Amino acid sequence: GAGVSQSPRYKVTKRGQDVALRCDPISGHVSLYWYRQALGQGPEFLTYFNYEAQQDKSGLPNDRFSAERPEGSISTLTIQRTEQRDSAMYRCASSTPSGTNTYEQYFGPGTRLTVT
Amino acid sequence: QQPVQSPQAVILREGEDAVINCSSSKALYSVHWYRQKHGEAPVFLMILLKGGEQKGHDKISASFNEKKQQSSLYLTASQLSYSGTYFCGTDGLSSNTGKLIFGQGTTLQVKP
Repeated sequence: GAGVSQSPRYKVTKRGQDVALRCDPISGHVSLYWYRQALGQGPEFLTYFNYEAQQDKSGLPNDRFSAERPEGSISTLTIQRTEQRDSAMYRCASSTPSGTNTYEQYFGPGTRLTVT
Repeated sequence: QQPVQSPQAVILREGEDAVINCSSSKALYSVHWYRQKHGEAPVFLMILLKGGEQKGHDKISASFNEKKQQSSLYLTASQLSYSGTYFCGTDGLSSNTGKLIFGQGTTLQVKP
């Protein structure tokens, strides 16, 4: 079946612009996670959802970052007024098929964001 | 708090064994292990729940000692395909939430 997809795969934006990163999880997965990964480092937790409810947003760096999952499927991570330090790989993962109690996460290919 | 992995890097010959350790300063409910190849997404290997169980598939196994807040990943008779960066991710205090805090990674290189 189809895995997690993310779009765009690459995004170059100018400092001060807003960007929206999209994640399409595996069909039927209850949970969706957003991570940021710097080169050579492990994924850094940003936020996660169960269905449409945002459960934890403690990893979002500041209030320029927000995320939503309005219908419990596709999610969007939005960064307002981008800064150069926001440049990174942003990864999405999904887990937990409905009716199960499993937590293995399936990662998407990521969006490489470059702020110039 | 981020778990600490050791060693940071390992170079092996095909057929040799390796152990990667993951230590946390706080109590854990579960530990997840992932492998990431260069330019690709992390791929799930296994999850270990509180209880000290050991799991494995093929020649990769892992253990979890919740009293010591440590997990170890064992790679036996390594193959070229085992090369990559291994990450442990720790979850929860009393239950799984799925919110993983990943270690900094251990880079494994297997040479012919």
